[in-house]
Amino acid sequence: ETGVTQTPRHLVMGMTNKKSLKCEQHLGHNAMYWYKQSAKKPLELMFVYNFKEQTENNSVPSRFSPECPNSSHLFLHLHTLQPEDSALYLCASSQVAGTPMGEQYFGPGTRLTVT
Amino acid sequence: RKEVEQDPGPFNVPEGATVAFNCTYSNSASQSFFWYRQDCRKEPKLLMSVYSSGNEDGRFTAQLNRASQYISLLIRDSKLSDSATYLCVVNRQGGKLIFGQGTELSVKP
Repeated sequence: ETGVTQTPRHLVMGMTNKKSLKCEQHLGHNAMYWYKQSAKKPLELMFVYNFKEQTENNSVPSRFSPECPNSSHLFLHLHTLQPEDSALYLCASSQVAGTPMGEQYFGPGTRLTVT
Repeated sequence: RKEVEQDPGPFNVPEGATVAFNCTYSNSASQSFFWYRQDCRKEPKLLMSVYSSGNEDGRFTAQLNRASQYISLLIRDSKLSDSATYLCVVNRQGGKLIFGQGTELSVKP
């Protein structure tokens, strides 16, 4: 399936590096999301964008900076990360954010390792 | 108390068995519910949506009890390919999805 794509699929970065994760959805949706999944923990919502506007920041540290230039693309800019930020970062999209019928479709994720 | 709670398992069952997963949620204003399936090191994939009392799709049946704040997923005639982690997901009022920690299922030959 290529509904939601993410690049890169794997990323190893040092604590002083700057990198970006990219997400693209081909489903015609208007809402996009970033989630973090650490080992043995539930998915944690990080950010929500609805029609390109950020509608939720779930108390995410400023070393994570999202960008949504249009409804199809979402970026997560990373800088001065910590080893505990190592996790699977998942992008998702849905028709519209904030509605009861809010099925979300996920990309394959970027597995990030911070050394 | 976690907002969405699931038995983490693992559930080890033989092929052909019927298995049921339970999920409880604490926010009574939750509006809709989903079951996702997540294979090892892969992304979650939507399995079923539950908006009213339940939903059925082939071997899979989901039931919702709003009074008890309880959702279940029943899998009949388990296949080896059903082995995965099953995530209970609650759409809280306002549209925010809250994920349970998942229940691991292993179907053995």
